[in-house]
Amino acid sequence: SAVISQKPSRDICQRGTSLTIQCQVDSQVTMMFWYRQQPGQSLTLIATANQGSEATYESGFVIDKFPISRPNLTFSTLTVSNMSPEDSSIYLCSVEGHFRTTEAFFGQGTRLTVV
Amino acid sequence: TQLLEQSPQFLSIQEGENLTVYCNSSSVFSSLQWYRQEPGEGPVLLVTVVTGGEVKKLKRLTFQFGDARKDSSLHITAAQPGDTGLYLCAGEDGSSNTGKLIFGQGTTLQVKP
Repeated sequence: SAVISQKPSRDICQRGTSLTIQCQVDSQVTMMFWYRQQPGQSLTLIATANQGSEATYESGFVIDKFPISRPNLTFSTLTVSNMSPEDSSIYLCSVEGHFRTTEAFFGQGTRLTVV
Repeated sequence: TQLLEQSPQFLSIQEGENLTVYCNSSSVFSSLQWYRQEPGEGPVLLVTVVTGGEVKKLKRLTFQFGDARKDSSLHITAAQPGDTGLYLCAGEDGSSNTGKLIFGQGTTLQVKP
């Protein structure tokens, strides 16, 4: 398993501002994933972050709105830019299991409220 | 596009009752996983089923993978308030080689004492 530290755990932000969410893993992993989740609902994949290359974004998500950094194999950030109330959600980072199993390990999430 | 249909979406039961959550697809998955998520936390892996027809037990939880590897079920016996949470099934997106997971819509379980 992997231990993932995600911060902040929650924040309340003004519309038009940006928030950067950090995700630190206790071991080196090839791929990291960023999800968005409305409370009580399923997860929607935003993008896959590989070290040394640009993130791959899913349909409906763009780099200008959700820029991602992946400077090394244990760390990634997701920025929510120019926020609006519609961006209020839970944001989760995730890594694959060791030995490239498909099992996923998640951070505790960042609950974002945009006012 | 691979989809996972999960049902029911919401379940409220009394302590001691049994329940089953279903996860269905028209696509074959090499494996399916079940996660449980509690408020303020990320999903936590409960089990992975790999072989068609496989049954795995985790205390009062029984997981089954369909023979054709298109569906799975989670059965909880004698539910307890501690079982309350969001249950998610997930499978690897076979259209990519990136380890991306496809998640079901989730089942919110509330077990009342």
